[in-house]
Amino acid sequence: GENVEQHPSTLSVQEGDSAVIKCTYSDSASNYFPWYKQELGKRPQLIIDIRSNVGEKKDQRIAVTLNKTAKHFSLHITETQPEDSAVYFCAASSNTGFQKLVFGTGTRLLVSP
Amino acid sequence: NAGVTQTPKFRVLKTGQSMTLLCAQDMNHEYMYWYRQDPGMGLRLIHYSVGEGTTAKGEVPDGYNVSRLKKQNFLLGLESAAPSQTSVYFCASSSTGVKGEQYFGPGTRLTVT
Repeated sequence: GENVEQHPSTLSVQEGDSAVIKCTYSDSASNYFPWYKQELGKRPQLIIDIRSNVGEKKDQRIAVTLNKTAKHFSLHITETQPEDSAVYFCAASSNTGFQKLVFGTGTRLLVSP
Repeated sequence: NAGVTQTPKFRVLKTGQSMTLLCAQDMNHEYMYWYRQDPGMGLRLIHYSVGEGTTAKGEVPDGYNVSRLKKQNFLLGLESAAPSQTSVYFCASSSTGVKGEQYFGPGTRLTVT
């Protein structure tokens, strides 16, 4: 089955810096890669996703890149702000309309003012 | 719309006791999921349902049972609770549309002593 590895487990940056979180997956059939943000004590929420027919996707300060050959994808946050502090999870699934997601173990991002 | 709701929010059980967690969604979603979240392990899929009357095992199904008698509800049962089932449980739902975003409930914190 699919296995998703996520690094680093914790990441501390100064406000305004960029942050990069990396994930690798094992199943070449996976073709849908979402990123979820979970603030302390809250539910996970989707922030961006990418499908395997796209190499990069941007949404304001957030971008995701995908390298299918190497089986890895990354989340990039530019101009970080304290409200970006949260745990971020990557996930992967083979898209048959039903998203049976396999999640990474999470990255705790701390943005210091 | 309330989105995805979970009952109860907190529960403490003694080893061997049973309980049912209720998940309800008002978005007319076909797909529903139960995850558990443990420190350092991300979100792991317990069981899922692709429609009313259907259920299937996920990554960590042992010790749990589920039922989806109505489209809007997905129940997770623990017949004989064990300390290893101490966790935060999240329910999620998604539609059959292309986007496939999973919407999570607020979570249930369960402690088994």
